[in-house]
Amino acid sequence: ETGVTQSPTHLIKTRGQQVTLRCSSQSGHNTVSWYQQALGQGPQFIFQYYREEENGRGNFPPRFSGLQFPNYSSELNVNALELDDSALYLCASSAGPTGVSYEQYFGPGTRLTVT
Amino acid sequence: GENVEQHPSTLSVQEGDSAVIKCTYSDSASNYFPWYKQELGKRPQLIIDIRSNVGEKKDQRIAVTLNKTAKHFSLHITETQPEDSAVYFCAASVPGNQFYFGTGTSLTVIP
Repeated sequence: ETGVTQSPTHLIKTRGQQVTLRCSSQSGHNTVSWYQQALGQGPQFIFQYYREEENGRGNFPPRFSGLQFPNYSSELNVNALELDDSALYLCASSAGPTGVSYEQYFGPGTRLTVT
Repeated sequence: GENVEQHPSTLSVQEGDSAVIKCTYSDSASNYFPWYKQELGKRPQLIIDIRSNVGEKKDQRIAVTLNKTAKHFSLHITETQPEDSAVYFCAASVPGNQFYFGTGTSLTVIP
């Protein structure tokens, strides 16, 4: 198993609410990427944080936002939840500067259900 | 942005046979191509990867090939075993380490 952890494991929210998901990166890694994985689909890139700055964003609306802290842990915030936001949210940590591709190691994910 | 296509979506093989999964990508700037295995209810696990300056890489029963000109890469699993049954995802990484994944291949190895 990787050293990447996520919390909570499962979450049930109501449409219109806000949610915060957390990720602790593997020791020595300074980059965290967030992905949304709908049932039966591949992970979709939401955004990436490198040294506390957003470094790239996928095709997700602004109500998906994030933070990275000095210890390189990260949060994903989703406002105004919609039913289609129900998915497994994965974070992945990696090492290295931007412009270079490094291995990414995934956390166990947070299963979000929006009702 | 990058677009990764993966085929087939499902694959059944007899134990001991080989399995091949193919992916294509669109962005010629992509320079790193990992493969992940995801078992039901678990996190994706990196099983093998290849960089754009290499044409082929092998790790025991698993190999990956890359054709940069044609923008396609493939995963080959030989001597398949029941524990190889899982969903396999390919991905392409653009500079900046942003990964774009295929839609997955559900592999079933029949004992």
